[in-house]
Amino acid sequence: KNQVEQSPQSLIILEGKNCTLQCNYTVSPFSNLRWYKQDTGRGPVSLTIMTFSENTKSNGRYTATLDADTKQSSLHITASQLSDSASYICVVSVDNDMRFGAGTRLTVKP
Amino acid sequence: NAGVTQTPKFQVLKTGQSMTLQCAQDMNHNSMYWYRQDPGMGLRLIYYSASEGTTDKGEVPNGYNVSRLNKREFSLRLESAAPSQTSVYFCASSEKRVNQPQHFGDGTRLSIL
Repeated sequence: KNQVEQSPQSLIILEGKNCTLQCNYTVSPFSNLRWYKQDTGRGPVSLTIMTFSENTKSNGRYTATLDADTKQSSLHITASQLSDSASYICVVSVDNDMRFGAGTRLTVKP
Repeated sequence: NAGVTQTPKFQVLKTGQSMTLQCAQDMNHNSMYWYRQDPGMGLRLIYYSASEGTTDKGEVPNGYNVSRLNKREFSLRLESAAPSQTSVYFCASSEKRVNQPQHFGDGTRLSIL
């Protein structure tokens, strides 16, 4: 069983709407939790990195939250744009290892 | 500002053929990584190099070899390609292994027939 589970697998929203992507993990303790954006045909690009002591981190319209007690993280996207269409990957770092989620595929439609 | 450059972008091989995937970074990073990405699965680490001259196995190293040629370059070699190695391969680099963002290349799409 993957130690990093993301939901939903895919999501379709209308341009301008907000959305929230979920990441549940079982690994503990961990060094940091990251969110990456991966455009089709490209490599992942880092959005946020949070240590276990942080509970929120923003990058423009992207806000990541972390609840270490429930082992959940979420990525909130505000006022979505067509360019937000991509896969979003949650990564949990344990010591020197990184455990990748399978990603959520977001499609933003006009 | 190239970042991480991977070559080739696409490749088709026959079972049993060998090839080397090339990766170079221009950010003076110490750590470099090779991942594979398969549909419905998270990226999986094949090999990594924490610094020039060192390499270590990751989660799925079987069937692969690596060379950290210098600080900039980290190559991945398939000695005898198998259909199970059909995947998208990503190279990444970071300043250190822990608590630093990784910078990824745009991948090599490899098909083995």
